Amino acid sequence: DTGVSQNPRHKITKRGQNVTFRCDPISEHNRLYWYRQTLGQGPEFLTYFQNEAQLEKSRLLSDRFSAERPKGSFSTLEIQRTEQGDSAMYLCASSLYGRGKLSGANVLTFGAGSRLTVL
Amino acid sequence: DQQVKQNSPSLSVQEGRISILNCDYTNSMFDYFLWYKKYPAEGPTFLISISSIKDKNEDGRFTVFLNKSAKHLSLHIVPSQPGDSAVYFCAASGLRRNEKLTFGTGTRLTIIP
Repeated sequence: DTGVSQNPRHKITKRGQNVTFRCDPISEHNRLYWYRQTLGQGPEFLTYFQNEAQLEKSRLLSDRFSAERPKGSFSTLEIQRTEQGDSAMYLCASSLYGRGKLSGANVLTFGAGSRLTVL
Repeated sequence: DQQVKQNSPSLSVQEGRISILNCDYTNSMFDYFLWYKKYPAEGPTFLISISSIKDKNEDGRFTVFLNKSAKHLSLHIVPSQPGDSAVYFCAASGLRRNEKLTFGTGTRLTIIP
């Protein structure tokens, strides 16, 4: 297992352009999370999926943001009409829910992130 | 509303000594607390967790202490090693263990050889 994979690792774009990030979670994990991290801050929750269902969205996720997990495997996060304030590290994480894992903390395994710079 | 707070942005400790990282929270509904470690250009990696029904959990050089009445937890690393230099994040999750994690702002730990 290669862990959580994110692509691209870096993206530089001009204001107003659309960008898309992809996340491939650990194969047996059914939960997938997107977080955003800016300089000097901790990761901030954006949204999460269980299989293909999007179960929760943060108010940080404006209508310019959309996330999908069409077949319950990989996920994409698209940002339309990017703004300079969207510049951040976008982190994907996955975890295993249920299936015999009845107790313990919800340990998320993170990818290395996709850094977005909006000029 | 910062529900998980790490008030020390940075900490320097001599190699071999104890490192103590602190975290405070405001939401009494949190039921699990976790510590993550982050190196530059990598994602956060899980270190250790503690349930709200415990007051201590130990794993090798890492021990987490929870004081529910004070809504405070701490991570102790002993002895500190140069490879421990990283940013440490405290995180908490809600009533159902499958809920999302809420993170603090992090503490940069530097171990001085």
